[in-house]
Amino acid sequence: NAGVTQTPKFRILKIGQSMTLQCAQDMNHNYMYWYRQDPGMGLKLIYYSVGAGITDKGEVPNGYNVSRSTTEDFPLRLELAAPSQTSVYFCASSNRQGARYEQYFGPGTRLTVT
Amino acid sequence: EDKVVQSPLSLVVHEGDTVTLNCSYEVTNFRSLLWYKQEKKAPTFLFMLTSSGIEKKSGRLSSILDKKELFSILNITATQTGDSAVYLCAVDSSSNTGKLIFGQGTTLQVKP
Repeated sequence: NAGVTQTPKFRILKIGQSMTLQCAQDMNHNYMYWYRQDPGMGLKLIYYSVGAGITDKGEVPNGYNVSRSTTEDFPLRLELAAPSQTSVYFCASSNRQGARYEQYFGPGTRLTVT
Repeated sequence: EDKVVQSPLSLVVHEGDTVTLNCSYEVTNFRSLLWYKQEKKAPTFLFMLTSSGIEKKSGRLSSILDKKELFSILNITATQTGDSAVYLCAVDSSSNTGKLIFGQGTTLQVKP
């Protein structure tokens, strides 16, 4: 049971390039989330999904896209990378069943756009 | 606009001290409040509070939620250097999406 996994761990992009951050979970959780964390700040929600085929915007969705074709995978796509997207990206999942439904986080992807 | 505010933003103490971290919130629909610990990597879950009262964990950590006054505190007694981390408070204000609103975090440094 690996929990939530993310790849890559680190990436440097040039302005205008695109990339996909991968996220997978093996806990059969329906709910998945993408956050970004800027230095010295809390986490901001980018996109989330309540199940396969269903996605919606969070607080800071501009410049990103997501898809959810399976329960396990929730990739985040960056189009036309900008320096403002330099951040640490965390993927999380939860099952929201029962009394305990905390979110489990992946190890993060540190992205630098120069 | 929903918001979560933590204080202080940073704190330096010595081993053995007791610390209190604060979290206040203003949300339209409160479901639960969560505390996470972050040590230079992914946040790890500490507490979930849904009703006013106290929840304990591991003996040295405890948390209180006051739904009337809209705040929570996280207490750490007999601090150890391993408690050094960023502590994040988050509020779940949605009944069916699980979206969390995070505070800025409190950076705690425990010196030997």
